[in-house]
Amino acid sequence: DVKVTQSSRYLVKRTGEKVFLECVQDMDHENMFWYRQDPGLGLRLIYFSYDVKMKEKGDIPEGYSVSREKKERFSLILESASTNQTSMYLCASTPRGLREFGNTDTQYFGPGTRLTVL
Amino acid sequence: AQSVTQPDIHITVSEGASLELRCNYSYGATPYLFWYVQSPGQGLQLLLKYFSGDTLVQGIKGFEAEFKRSQSSFNLRKPSVHWSDAAEYFCAVGPNFGNEKLTFGTGTRLTIIP
Repeated sequence: DVKVTQSSRYLVKRTGEKVFLECVQDMDHENMFWYRQDPGLGLRLIYFSYDVKMKEKGDIPEGYSVSREKKERFSLILESASTNQTSMYLCASTPRGLREFGNTDTQYFGPGTRLTVL
Repeated sequence: AQSVTQPDIHITVSEGASLELRCNYSYGATPYLFWYVQSPGQGLQLLLKYFSGDTLVQGIKGFEAEFKRSQSSFNLRKPSVHWSDAAEYFCAVGPNFGNEKLTFGTGTRLTIIP
């Protein structure tokens, strides 16, 4: 089974703190994603990465950065946490070529990190 | 740009009754379509997916979905719900050529009453 793990299930931080959310997958997937989930808004893509050291902005990248130094690990960084970043953060991974190579696989999700910024 | 609409924010169904959750999409090509379920406090789990072929797809936990191109819909159905089906359900479409992004709907919360 594909396993996507996230470093914390619950996290409480203070405004202005630098926050690191870690995600690790064990299936050698090329693509990794960070989403945030808010009631009534569904999942919104923050950043994604399709290879080591590669990253692309998603729909809501403001206030976030990412790091992918190793294939299995994708970190989300809140440089200076704010209360409006209180949310559920979900990491996902998928093998390359979901469409181009007819790969019928899908995105595998971690359990999520519920972040509260006070 | 691709988009997904789930018109029902919250649905309440009696245990044993049938269920249909609606999903409409906008996509420039033949879509790949997915339904995910999220139980309280959990991540998302794939229920089923449509890539091509038979427009009626079977998934896990007794769910099925039907792709209707003419209606741009991919509705999720179950003939008889169980209390354990109470969860939030997300429809997703994608990905685009050149990247692997999926676009998710805003979700439908399902409540089951005895």
